[in-house]
Amino acid sequence: DTAVSQTPKYLVTQMGNDKSIKCEQNLGHDTMYWYKQDSKKFLKIMFSYNNKELIINETVPNRFSPKSPDKAHLNLHINSLELGDSAVYFCASSGGGGGGTQYFGPGTRLLVL
Amino acid sequence: QQQVKQSPQSLIVQKGGISIINCAYENTAFDYFPWYQQFPGKGPALLIAIRPDVSEKKEGRFTISFNKSAKQFSLHIMDSQPGDSATYFCAASRGDSNYQLIWGAGTKLIIKP
Repeated sequence: DTAVSQTPKYLVTQMGNDKSIKCEQNLGHDTMYWYKQDSKKFLKIMFSYNNKELIINETVPNRFSPKSPDKAHLNLHINSLELGDSAVYFCASSGGGGGGTQYFGPGTRLLVL
Repeated sequence: QQQVKQSPQSLIVQKGGISIINCAYENTAFDYFPWYQQFPGKGPALLIAIRPDVSEKKEGRFTISFNKSAKQFSLHIMDSQPGDSATYFCAASRGDSNYQLIWGAGTKLIIKP
């Protein structure tokens, strides 16, 4: 069973479009994250939710909006996509009690044309 | 003070050699130091982690060395193998910060056969 899953795996879209990425974890974790990884491989935390409550909201454009319908899901909606949004987006989850180990999904490769 | 500085950016090692990646931090409140391994097309995965109450932790060919006074920690990969070729990230966190990880910039490791 996949621990952290993301859909879609690939997303190719035009500038100005709106898109969503979905994330689900079956590990029973309380905390979920969204990361952006650029072409230089740098991992940038975007958001973190704990028990459906937003706890980390780093400086990202407000075109990015996370939504957590329940503890097991954290979706990312992006409005008015720009060329600079092209990156790999990773969802992750952690249980906290395990020392903070984060479990990552396979990533969603977003290409904005 | 929240930064974690990782070096080198890239590293090429002959098969059978020792790979060494270094990280330095400023915040003395950090109490958890993991290393993550990322293969191309995959999400990062926890490789090994250490807490500051010990100076070294070994798991198979992978060892973390921790120097609390110098605020540095390093990953040593003994008998490096082509299958170890990946990007390695160091990170640090505080237990009272919901284990938000502060990430190093990553090191691309290539093991030459």
